[in-house]
Amino acid sequence: QVQLQESGPGLVKPSETLSLTCTVSGHSISPYYWSWIRQPPGKGLEWIGYIYDSGSTNYNPSLKSRVTISVDTSKNQFSLKLSSVTAADTAVYYCARNYCNDGACYPAAFDIWGQGTMVTVSS
Amino acid sequence: QSVLTQPPSVSGAPGQRVTISCTGTGSNIGAGYDVYWYQQVLGTAPKLLIYADANRPSGVPDRFSGSKSGTSASLAISGLQAEDEADYYCQSYDTSLSAWVFGGGTKLTVL
Repeated sequence: QVQLQESGPGLVKPSETLSLTCTVSGHSISPYYWSWIRQPPGKGLEWIGYIYDSGSTNYNPSLKSRVTISVDTSKNQFSLKLSSVTAADTAVYYCARNYCNDGACYPAAFDIWGQGTMVTVSS
Repeated sequence: QSVLTQPPSVSGAPGQRVTISCTGTGSNIGAGYDVYWYQQVLGTAPKLLIYADANRPSGVPDRFSGSKSGTSASLAISGLQAEDEADYYCQSYDTSLSAWVFGGGTKLTVL
């Protein structure tokens, strides 16, 4: 059974870099798409970006200048870095894996999710 | 403000059928991009209900069904149950934004 677990600081100061890690258990990182998605308190979902298999990435253009997603296959982990954070970046951050079935994979279908981790940006 | 528009809330009595709409534009749903639907119970992570417009992952009851026409998509829930009370989100790709986007979410209340 595949499980995802986010970890990282729950409080980040404005202008600093938010760093989160998602640890994958029950399956190897390959060959799926691994995404970060966030949800501000009381609001909807926002896709941040993904990393695929060997390390190719795709980011939401609205965040692209501040986002880096990387993978450490030896630890079965992938990570998110979001720089120059402001209060608007306060949210629950989820990591997620895409859905594959019968040999077909759907990069945009987020099938397995972590429980989410709340990150507050405040001084 | 999302490019995918959902009604803020819908409601229905147990056993009834409800539908949740997701209205897009020619840059997303109307361009033929797949639509996905998620259920989010309060305080938990979203759960994938529908992928590629109308397909259910294994384990999702057939009470949930998805459809798409033109620039809109819909999620139908039949035989409404108390545990269906949750927020529901649609998702697609938007070529103008070059990003996967979510609707604003719809809160389903089971009366």
